[in-house]
Amino acid sequence: DAKTTQPPSMDCAEGRAANLPCNHSTISGNEYVYWYRQIHSQGPQYIIHGLKNNETNEMVSLIITEDRKSSTLILPHATLRDTAVYYCIVRAPLLGNEKLTFGTGTRLTIIP
Amino acid sequence: GAVVSQHPSWVICKSGTSVKIECRSLDFQATTMFWYRQFPKQSLMLMATSNEGSKATYEQGVEKDKFLINHASLTLSTLTVTSAHPEDSSFYICSARRSGLGLSSWGETQYFGPGTRLLVL
Repeated sequence: DAKTTQPPSMDCAEGRAANLPCNHSTISGNEYVYWYRQIHSQGPQYIIHGLKNNETNEMVSLIITEDRKSSTLILPHATLRDTAVYYCIVRAPLLGNEKLTFGTGTRLTIIP
Repeated sequence: GAVVSQHPSWVICKSGTSVKIECRSLDFQATTMFWYRQFPKQSLMLMATSNEGSKATYEQGVEKDKFLINHASLTLSTLTVTSAHPEDSSFYICSARRSGLGLSSWGETQYFGPGTRLLVL
């Protein structure tokens, strides 16, 4: 699986948009970008994933650059409950590899 | 949704004793479950992959005789920490992959449990 690079920490004011970057410059054509988050002392929670098109769900948007070497997770209106560690993971599920390799992630702190 | 539970949520034990942690998929069947360990302020580290009806596959550096994994049914996997020592104190998290879900692009192939915090005195 391709390695990802994320800033170790970020702060965001409550109600503002939180933009979490992830670099995955060695991503290959069959690898997807997944985002999980882990709230303190809980198990990780799946957020969103994408291949090359931008994706949106009720919580977030995922913007993937055209060359797919980086992506940004956007929380449009951050709340205090969004304080968590956010993990960007790149993997190729179609190869039957179900392993998730967690990096160090970004610790997002929402400031009241 | 897909719910994964773990029991117990926390446990304190004496050094040298064994501790069993259960991971259950409550509303779906899981042919594959995964066990992770997380030390304070660190990321999750995969320990082993548990497949129903067969032996678990351990990651490099994880002692299979110390961390016994049993996946006897499609909804239950157990991790037993044998002869636990203080250095085994950690946050143990399981995840489950839903059976029958094809190898599609769905990122939700793994659902995580809430974790079990183990403290060995």
